[in-house]
Amino acid sequence: DQQVKQNSPSLSVQEGRISILNCDYTNSMFDYFLWYKKYPAEGPTFLISISSIKDKNEDGRFTVFLNKSAKHLSLHIVPSQPGDSAVYFCAANDESGQFYFGTGTSLTVIP
Amino acid sequence: GAVVSQHPSRVICKSGTSVKIECRSLDFQATTMFWYRQFPKQSLMLMATSNEGSKATYEQGVEKDKFLINHASLTLSTLTVTSAHPEDSSFYICSARSRGGFPDTEAFFGQGTRLTVV
Repeated sequence: DQQVKQNSPSLSVQEGRISILNCDYTNSMFDYFLWYKKYPAEGPTFLISISSIKDKNEDGRFTVFLNKSAKHLSLHIVPSQPGDSAVYFCAANDESGQFYFGTGTSLTVIP
Repeated sequence: GAVVSQHPSRVICKSGTSVKIECRSLDFQATTMFWYRQFPKQSLMLMATSNEGSKATYEQGVEKDKFLINHASLTLSTLTVTSAHPEDSSFYICSARSRGGFPDTEAFFGQGTRLTVV
């Protein structure tokens, strides 16, 4: 049972525009959410996170939004750069620290 | 989607003993597996990368003699925490990358193992 879902397997965005990656979850007990970025032939690397007590966290060009009532998480990248082209994974922690990962969204930023 | 199975999900061991964690790719051949460690409310820290049939590459600061990684087959990698101490208590998670049949950019995660050393 997939508790964290990324329904868009791929996304293409023009350089300089905003990239919005979406993530939905089913478990209301999740209390911490993370985004990971993965380049080909490399392991995933941490990008940004947000606690369930917040609805927004910003770090440079990256902003994560959390809508708890909708059980929805999104990552905004603005402005998008070609180097942002990668696969992005959404993940959630429950209160025990157990990880639940989405299946990833492949972002392509077109120069 | 592809499945990566990690076992056990939780383990409690006594200080000084060794613990083995298994990571299996159930429906694809994993040429590369990644092992991560996560501290509470922190991001995953990459510990090592292992390629089937060769020695693992450890990240700086990770003791290779303490965290033994074996990737003997295309479907199984193991992480052994040797002479475990309470400070090794953490959440360990594996990730596997496939060869052929799936986009090369995809990685699939195991469910993780919570290790508690008492």
